[in-house]
Amino acid sequence: QSVLTQPPSMSAAPGQSVTISCSGSGSNIGSNTVSWYQLVPGTAPKFVMYNNDQRPPGVTDRFSASKSGTSVFLAISGLQADDEADYFCTSWDDILNGVVFGGGTKLTVL
Amino acid sequence: QVQLVESGGGLVKPGGSLKLSCVVSGFPLNDNYINWIRHVPGKGLEWLSYISDNDKMFADSVKGRVTISRDTAKKSVYLQLNSLRAEDTAVYHCARLRCSDGSCFWGQFDLWGQGTLVTVSS
Repeated sequence: QSVLTQPPSMSAAPGQSVTISCSGSGSNIGSNTVSWYQLVPGTAPKFVMYNNDQRPPGVTDRFSASKSGTSVFLAISGLQADDEADYFCTSWDDILNGVVFGGGTKLTVL
Repeated sequence: QVQLVESGGGLVKPGGSLKLSCVVSGFPLNDNYINWIRHVPGKGLEWLSYISDNDKMFADSVKGRVTISRDTAKKSVYLQLNSLRAEDTAVYHCARLRCSDGSCFWGQFDLWGQGTLVTVSS
């Protein structure tokens, strides 16, 4: 069981938008920042968001994120075929004293 | 080119050992934290270990079965996996911790390798 909770799968058509949620608790998301990663099998995972809502250099502005309490949300607009991937959230947990990950959300672009 | 490249994975029997390598290019090993994180396809990610100039740390789930080392001349970081179990089957990635202006940020891994597959099976 992952410490952070994500929906296992989501899907949407090209051009549409999707929002992936990541829920935690006060010891992780509630008191620390969240990052997001994009995983395509066989390739290096990509760092797509940090400090809750900051995009690393080179990440398209179709990716945005927000935080509310102990949940964070990654939004992807104008879906493209190459957005199809697994997306993971991560944060620090003050009680576990370690990095915790979400279980991942498989995004399918129909 | 700034990248991390892993190697050393393969099929190993339960109880066996494996040494994974991560070659760093395009940036110095010094002043960086290199981590090992594994991914079981269809399941989640798990942080395992890191090594820095002065420190190394391990997740409780692998403590005592894993060692980490580095060779700055070869720009490489190594993860030695011992007493392997079926549940250690995963893709093992090395990843750099994001650091900026002298501070490093846990949970923020800004560069990853493509991973190397470890399969533990008899």
